[in-house]
Amino acid sequence: ETGVTQTPRHLVMGMTNKKSLKCEQHLGHNAMYWYKQSAKKPLELMFVYNFKEQTENNSVPSRFSPECPNSSHLFLHLHTLQPEDSALYLCASSQGSGSLYEQYFGPGTRLTVT
Amino acid sequence: QKEVEQNSGPLSVPEGAIASLNCTYSDRGSQSFFWYRQYSGKSPELIMFIYSNGDKEDGRFTAQLNKASQYVSLLIRDSQPSDSATYLCAVPTGANNLFFGTGTRLTVIP
Repeated sequence: ETGVTQTPRHLVMGMTNKKSLKCEQHLGHNAMYWYKQSAKKPLELMFVYNFKEQTENNSVPSRFSPECPNSSHLFLHLHTLQPEDSALYLCASSQGSGSLYEQYFGPGTRLTVT
Repeated sequence: QKEVEQNSGPLSVPEGAIASLNCTYSDRGSQSFFWYRQYSGKSPELIMFIYSNGDKEDGRFTAQLNKASQYVSLLIRDSQPSDSATYLCAVPTGANNLFFGTGTRLTVIP
């Protein structure tokens, strides 16, 4: 595997379900990110981790819970989601978390909440 | 004012023409600027980044940065149908935040 991988690629869940999204980067990067992309809206940064430590939480509802066990893996735990949470969830990584580092994206998980 | 603004398009150009995509940003302190390309149903792919005022060329792509006027543009020379995609401008604000524009949808007509 190369680059940034995400599983599953598609997920349909009910509002009472609990599920997790997984991201793995094979680039030796130190920072990882979760983004949400909804139709007609810009990419929204949700969480940032640098060297496993969360450095940014952009007012994300508590029904989204991130976990970063090491610099290569990032999870997004989902519970009691709402239909408006249906979107493409993208993981990205970069060498560092400063403004000069370009981010590389995974293929995304298309989430549908029914 | 939005942090990053782009014309959503669609922008249509004939094959072989120059496509010009523009982006304005609000944070005067921004130091770096990124252009991503996103094909329909795919994730964003980094195609250019620029840190200094002026032009940066990479193959058929040229990024232009004017910090005084707070705009960054992307020119695509000899446009090909395979360039048809949405182009996202991204500007870091603060230590960890990367703000994306809504993107400009480009269609290159054969």
